[in-house]
Amino acid sequence: SQTIHQWPATLVQPVGSPLSLECTVEGTSNPNLYWYRQAAGRGLQLLFYSVGIGQISSEVPQNLSASRPQDRQFILSSKKLLLSDSGFYLCAWSVWESSGTYNEQFFGPGTRLTVL
Amino acid sequence: GDSVTQMEGPVTLSEEAFLTINCTYTATGYPSLFWYVQYPGEGLQLLLKATKADDKGSNKGFEATYRKETTSFHLEKGSVQVSDSAVYFCALSMKTSYDKVIFGPGTSLSVIP
Repeated sequence: SQTIHQWPATLVQPVGSPLSLECTVEGTSNPNLYWYRQAAGRGLQLLFYSVGIGQISSEVPQNLSASRPQDRQFILSSKKLLLSDSGFYLCAWSVWESSGTYNEQFFGPGTRLTVL
Repeated sequence: GDSVTQMEGPVTLSEEAFLTINCTYTATGYPSLFWYVQYPGEGLQLLLKATKADDKGSNKGFEATYRKETTSFHLEKGSVQVSDSAVYFCALSMKTSYDKVIFGPGTSLSVIP
């Protein structure tokens, strides 16, 4: 069966420090991978998605970046964190259902980031 | 562009009350529709789905019917429990290579004993 891991689970970082969040998927090949951010009491904001190794699409211009060095690994980074980067970061993966009729996403447990 | 609209929350209900959370969508074409649930401090989980018009998705006592004529996918449950307290997201997926899922803003549900 497929599983998705995210770490760390929680993180407290000072403003201006770097960031690296990691997501890995097991039990599937060539998944689509996604990074979302959820501010307190708000909906999901899609940050990046990737349909293959080295392929990254950015949805929102900001001081974050993403990389996909391996098929089942997705990394979210920042060189200098801002206060507004605080939030709950969710990684997700998906593959097309076999008949090609829908794209179902599976979410990781999330990382709670607090920037002070 | 494609979008999903949900009723504003928070919604507060007493245990055993009837639940309806409205969801409507705008899409060019025929999307697949989903309801996801997020329990406090956790990631999202798929609750139910429907892939074509008139399909009914169901799970854990929750139901939603894909209504093409009204572009709606309302979530219902006949008798809610305290354990149903969570945030519910309506979402759609288009059959395109773009591979994105469009989420609604989420509706927070609190069920009180």
